[in-house]
Amino acid sequence: DAGITQSPRHKVTETGTPVTLRCHQTENHRYMYWYRQDPGHGLRLIHYSYGVKDTDKGEVSDGYSVSRSKTEDFLLTLESATSSQTSVYFCAGSGSQKETQYFGPGTRLLVL
Amino acid sequence: DQQVKQNSPSLSVQEGRISILNCDYTNSMFDYFLWYKKYPAEGPTFLISISSIKDKNEDGRFTVFLNKSAKHLSLHIVPSQPGDSAVYFCAATRGNQFYFGTGTSLTVIP
Repeated sequence: DAGITQSPRHKVTETGTPVTLRCHQTENHRYMYWYRQDPGHGLRLIHYSYGVKDTDKGEVSDGYSVSRSKTEDFLLTLESATSSQTSVYFCAGSGSQKETQYFGPGTRLLVL
Repeated sequence: DQQVKQNSPSLSVQEGRISILNCDYTNSMFDYFLWYKKYPAEGPTFLISISSIKDKNEDGRFTVFLNKSAKHLSLHIVPSQPGDSAVYFCAATRGNQFYFGTGTSLTVIP
């Protein structure tokens, strides 16, 4: 869905470095989500937001924090990146039919 | 602990035939079940969903069946086309939580 963009699309960083991934949407989605995709695990929900400044934890939230200061932007922060956080990260948004999510193109993160 | 499971990592089907992708789940409290399709280097794309109170939903070539007693859902694609070749994820939701399976890679052979 062209209405959801992610930046950066690729990032290489070192262990212990803080990292912030950005998700931007132009669809006025109320709900926004961050997932990680790893082999053998599918997609796993990290955090989600149900409105500006309203966020909650998902299945694999340890080591991650999020912020949503405005409807359009949902930030995912790794306070101190670890090699286990090497993954592909997807952002998604949904509206009134929240079970229908629209995904961004993904960010490939490598933590050395 | 995986609450949504796709036990077949891959499936190959001839063009024009039916593709059946399967998914099992463990939590009887899920509200909705969904199927997503994913091409390499792209985000997943929503295909079809079904409410937990229904047993079938159809959208064009795609039909999803839900068997609550067996905690099983399946996606039927008829007829299969080469453009359907992708990874298919099933997912289930309860409230604001979403749980995805590990995916099945479908190859449709021309």
